[in-house]
Amino acid sequence: EVQLVESGGGLVQPGGSLRLSCAASGFPFKTYWMTWVRQAPGKGLEWVANIKQDGSEKYYVDSVKGRFTISRDNAKNSLYLQMKSLRAEDTALYYCARVPSSFYYDTSGSYGYQYSGVDVWGQGTTVTVSS
Amino acid sequence: EIVLTQSPGTLSLSLGERATLSCRASQSVSDNSLAWYQQKPGQPPRLVIYGASSRATGIPDRFSGSGSGTDFTLTITRLESEDFAVYYCQQYGRSFPWTFGQGTKVEIK
Repeated sequence: EVQLVESGGGLVQPGGSLRLSCAASGFPFKTYWMTWVRQAPGKGLEWVANIKQDGSEKYYVDSVKGRFTISRDNAKNSLYLQMKSLRAEDTALYYCARVPSSFYYDTSGSYGYQYSGVDVWGQGTTVTVSS
Repeated sequence: EIVLTQSPGTLSLSLGERATLSCRASQSVSDNSLAWYQQKPGQPPRLVIYGASSRATGIPDRFSGSGSGTDFTLTITRLESEDFAVYYCQQYGRSFPWTFGQGTKVEIK
């Protein structure tokens, strides 16, 4: 069974740090881009960060750049999100999720990855930033 | 950043009716990299449509997606009880950031 299980959430004071983990199983983790998406209480979804299969490319939403770091350990089938300088507005349910992709190289010489949405989601881990 | 605007905010319909949800992008979405997700209370999102019109694994054929460029639509023909949920669109183009719409709630009338 394909599964993603997040952990590491909790209550932290403003300015504090937290490290989220996501354990993947049931699929070849090292072949997938991975992503973190968050959802503030009663609000919509917000994309947070993506990481390439080998960890060589990472992308972030502007609001977390310089504060959050996405990483992965393919030997442990694990995804991480290191969060520093946490703010009240970071309070949310954080989802780890899988991103199917295919590499393209077209006749014009451009290349990169084409994605197919976010197809597998964990149940999420809750982060609350409050004093 | 591509801003996605979903309409309506809430759709009140009866069982068996047709639901039409709209997602409009502030600029063209590359390669029609547009997905729709269904989310029920207390559950993670579930991929419904990707590539604007491809149904995800296990999604019944009463769900269909259409559109290109800046205007996209999710249609649910013959609403069933399990379809009442919040639906989000997302663009996941070749450049970042990826963005979500604010959601459309489909509720029982």
